[in-house]
Amino acid sequence: DSGVTQTPKHLITATGQRVTLRCSPRSGDLSVYWYQQSLDQGLQFLIQYYNGEERAKGNILERFSAQQFPDLHSELNLSSLELGDSALYFCASSTEAGLAGIKQYFGPGTRLTVT
Amino acid sequence: DQQVKQNSPSLSVQEGRISILNCDYTNSMFDYFLWYKKYPAEGPTFLISISSIKDKNEDGRFTVFLNKSAKHLSLHIVPSQPGDSAVYFCAARGTGANSKLTFGKGITLSVRP
Repeated sequence: DSGVTQTPKHLITATGQRVTLRCSPRSGDLSVYWYQQSLDQGLQFLIQYYNGEERAKGNILERFSAQQFPDLHSELNLSSLELGDSALYFCASSTEAGLAGIKQYFGPGTRLTVT
Repeated sequence: DQQVKQNSPSLSVQEGRISILNCDYTNSMFDYFLWYKKYPAEGPTFLISISSIKDKNEDGRFTVFLNKSAKHLSLHIVPSQPGDSAVYFCAARGTGANSKLTFGKGITLSVRP
């Protein structure tokens, strides 16, 4: 158990809809990262937050947005969903203040299926 | 453009033997390399890392070797155990404004009893 929790575990929705994925980092970790893993792909970095502020952006679509709240939990919002958005979405946290923590702790992921 | 490549999608080895997982990269500005292990229905778990200024790092049964001139790193597992069967991701960290982690597609390791 990494200490990072993600909800929901599974999500099935239709094209055009909007969903919110939630992540609670390990106790004490200030950095939260979001990754997308599509079929046969490695983990693609989406975005990082540190103590409530956006720190780094990766291959995140404009239809996607994220935020980190004062209690440090984070939400990833995906809107106008397309079939190609079906993937595993992972959240990770780390203690390091740098742009990318060396040791990131991953949650179990949310499997999103868009039909 | 895939900057971190794991060209072999799978590897099968006998229990007790050595497992060698390979990874190639193209960006010479990476300053840290990491290996993560992932079991089904779980998130990736950090395994071992190596700084770009080193050529070897060892932790128990796991050793990572870095060859900067060849832009190649490898993870050695000795001896391999059935519990090592998992997907292994190689990752690299950039420097400065681009210090995100870039992951390879992963290698599925199967250790046969």
